[in-house]
Amino acid sequence: EVQLLESGGALVQPGGSLTLSCAASGFTFTSSAMTWVRQAPGRGLEWVSTITDGGTTKYAESVKARFTISRDNSKSTLFLQLNTLRAEDTAVYFCAKVFHAWYFDLWGRGTLVTVSS
Amino acid sequence: EIVLTQSPATLSLSPGERATLSCRASQNIITYLAWYQQKPGQAPRLLFYDTFSRAGDIPARFISSGSGTDFTLTISSLEPEDFAVYYCQQRITWPLTFGGGTKVEI
Repeated sequence: EVQLLESGGALVQPGGSLTLSCAASGFTFTSSAMTWVRQAPGRGLEWVSTITDGGTTKYAESVKARFTISRDNSKSTLFLQLNTLRAEDTAVYFCAKVFHAWYFDLWGRGTLVTVSS
Repeated sequence: EIVLTQSPATLSLSPGERATLSCRASQNIITYLAWYQQKPGQAPRLLFYDTFSRAGDIPARFISSGSGTDFTLTISSLEPEDFAVYYCQQRITWPLTFGGGTKVEI
């Protein structure tokens, strides 16, 4: 089955860190660029970061230098390391497969990150 | 950064009616625009990419048009399952950006 499954969301204090994972199956992960998109409660979609099949990375300005996207092709898994978390990082984080540079044609169900003391 | 402005924020319609959703870009994005549908508690679903290309099994009642800075998603006759939030997204330049969404409600 073609799917993405995120995990790792949690309640974390401001300034804390977290790592999100996204397990991919049913498609050729190694040749797919992947992305993280987030959605704050009751708000719209916000692109966070993208990693190409070759490992080139892009970040939204709001997370640059705090978040790190990476991938383990041997495990078909995408990661997002979140550091120095702020209240405004509270959101559901979706991973998505990049399609036709740079749209998103396969999405996971998301994982909730809550930053609060 | 390219800003995408969607209007209206909310569209209140009945099944069978026509829905017209607008997405305006702050710069020329040619036709590098996608539309997504999101239902409550679900992930977004790609409807159209590069404005005119239909993704997957998207029904023919969904029509996407536009170029440059002005784009429109039309749902010719609303079905109950079409009530959702719709987002546009541009891919011409980084950062990738989404519009704020239009909620189509009953």
